This record gives sequence, structure tokens and C-alpha cells, in this order.
Amino acid sequence: DARVTQTPRHKVTEMGQEVTMRCQPILGHNTVFWYRQTMMQGLELLAYFRNRAPLDDSGMPKDRFSAEMPDATLATLKIQPSEPRDSAVYFCASAWGTPKNSPLHFGNGTRLTVT
Amino acid sequence: GQQLNQSPQSMFIQEGEDVSMNCTSSSIFNTWLWYKQDPGEGPVLLIALYKAGELTSNGRLTAQFGITRKDSFLNISASIPSDVGIYFCAGQGARYSGAGSYQLTFGKGTKLSVIP
Repeated sequence: DARVTQTPRHKVTEMGQEVTMRCQPILGHNTVFWYRQTMMQGLELLAYFRNRAPLDDSGMPKDRFSAEMPDATLATLKIQPSEPRDSAVYFCASAWGTPKNSPLHFGNGTRLTVT
Repeated sequence: GQQLNQSPQSMFIQEGEDVSMNCTSSSIFNTWLWYKQDPGEGPVLLIALYKAGELTSNGRLTAQFGITRKDSFLNISASIPSDVGIYFCAGQGARYSGAGSYQLTFGKGTKLSVIP
């Protein structure tokens, strides 16, 4: 089964440190998403890319978060500097086309703890 | 932005019972998706619905796209312990269904516990 791969699975870091999360979308998928999941807010869309170009990053705090796709097989989400309120599970997901022809496939997430 | 109200938030049921959960919105949706999330994993797609009135089954799961296009429900028949998890609905609103658009709204989830 093709799947979205995320690394690392878990990350514990101290406040102020830089955090980088990586995602390998399913081969052939041209749309990549970053979501954040917390108990309080549920799944929140941070950013999404189509053909490596950012289409919407309005959900992302711009002062500390950045998302990029250096190539079609790698998406990154960086937090610098990290804060305790960033503790959450970060999911990458990928698809091609639209929801009408390609449902979203999620990775297993990176659980981030900022102390 | 668009919001989805998913209910119930949580439910405890006996093994063998049927389960029903739903999502509603004040806006019209063009696509409804139902996902299940197991602990420590990402959501996995269960059922996708694309037309108003559509009723689709996947094993013991059945989901329907409401006629008004503002709601959807998911039923699980004869629940078993492995049905435990969080179920999410997600939809693409008509406002966000432009060519090439992929804007999904997620419900907050229904946490299902099954008592053996």
C-alpha cells in the first residue's frame, strides 16, 4: 500500500529550539497538506501545496512557522523558535486533483512536545 | 470559514450494538468524507460521498450524503472492539469547490468506545 511517510514520529525539544518535520507524499500525488491536531482545536489546516507551490498558508503562524517543498517527494514544516503551545501532533497528507477524485491520505504524524 | 458540527462527541456502547453519528453544517457541501483515527496513527479514509442522497457501504459501515447537502451520517452495525477510535467527518464546501481547489473542513470527531 502506498502511504505518506512522516519523520520523526516523536520529537521532544526545549522551548526556543528549531524543529523540522519531514514528509514524503505518496508518489504521484501533487497536493500536500500540513495539519495540526490538538485536543482543543481538532484538526487545523496549516498550509497546503499544489505542484510544490504554496496555495494556502493562512492557518500558519508566519512569524515562527515555515513550510516548503524542496522537491516533489519532500515537504518540510519548520518551527523556529518553538514554544510550548506548539505541542501537538502534526500530520502531513497528500492527494491529487480534488476531493471529488482523490480523497486525502494521511501520514502517521509527528508528535511534538515542547518543554 | 465553514464549520462542521459533529455529534456525539463521544459514545460508549456494548459490543454488538449499532452506532450512529452525524455531521451538520449551515453551508452546502459537495463532498463528504468519513475517516477513522486509531491511537498513534493518522486518519484513514473509510467512505467518500460525492452526490446528494448517495448511500455507500463499506463492510459494516454505511454513510449517507444528506439530501439538503448540509449533513451526512455514518452508521456502524454490530460493533466490535476494533471499531474503537475517533471518527471524523470532512467535507468540501460548495464555496471552495472551484477548479483545482482542495479545501476540506473537518469535524471535531466522535470518540467511540466499545465495551466487550
